[in-house]
Amino acid sequence: NAGVTQTPKFRILKIGQSMTLQCAQDMNHNYMYWYRQDPGMGLKLIYYSVGAGITDKGEVPNGYNVSRSTTEDFPLRLELAAPSQTSVYFCASKTGSGNTIYFGEGSWLTVV
Amino acid sequence: DQQVKQNSPSLSVQEGRISILNCDYTNSMFDYFLWYKKYPAEGPTFLISISSIKDKNEDGRFTVFLNKSAKHLSLHIVPSQPGDSAVYFCAASKDSNYQLIWGAGTKLIIKP
Repeated sequence: NAGVTQTPKFRILKIGQSMTLQCAQDMNHNYMYWYRQDPGMGLKLIYYSVGAGITDKGEVPNGYNVSRSTTEDFPLRLELAAPSQTSVYFCASKTGSGNTIYFGEGSWLTVV
Repeated sequence: DQQVKQNSPSLSVQEGRISILNCDYTNSMFDYFLWYKKYPAEGPTFLISISSIKDKNEDGRFTVFLNKSAKHLSLHIVPSQPGDSAVYFCAASKDSNYQLIWGAGTKLIIKP
């Protein structure tokens, strides 16, 4: 049971570099999400998608971009990495009708 | 503006006793509440939920109570077991197709 798969698990970036966090789900879920979690804080929604070709901003979208070309994949792009983007990133998905969200294992990103 | 608050960053409970984790919210439009459990280096996993039309929901050792007038919910774990040691997040939504608002989490430590 793969569920939600995120890569890479750990990454160190230099300020100004770009990278893409990959996310794939094999549950045929319409809804997909990207969250970040800073130490001692709850999860903050970066972007979400309600289906292929449709994306929308969450609470903290600045500095990020997403695309949803297929139901399965929802990559998160950091264009110009900044130290404020040091965080743990979680990708998640759910069906259109339910409230239960299924999470990936997380990606630890450090920007130095 | 924290719409969902978990005021206890940590809680320590003896094995076999009851663990009570609390969550307060400010938005009266929230109509669905969830509890997630998170182990270190893993993504959050769904534990239990409750709709605003109910005041109690039970699943094995886990019970969630909702007090709408006080805008308060609590998670009871009875009896507490060592495997329950984790961070517990409370989350709320006002639309099953919309984003969840998360609390900052409570770290539960079960002492042997």
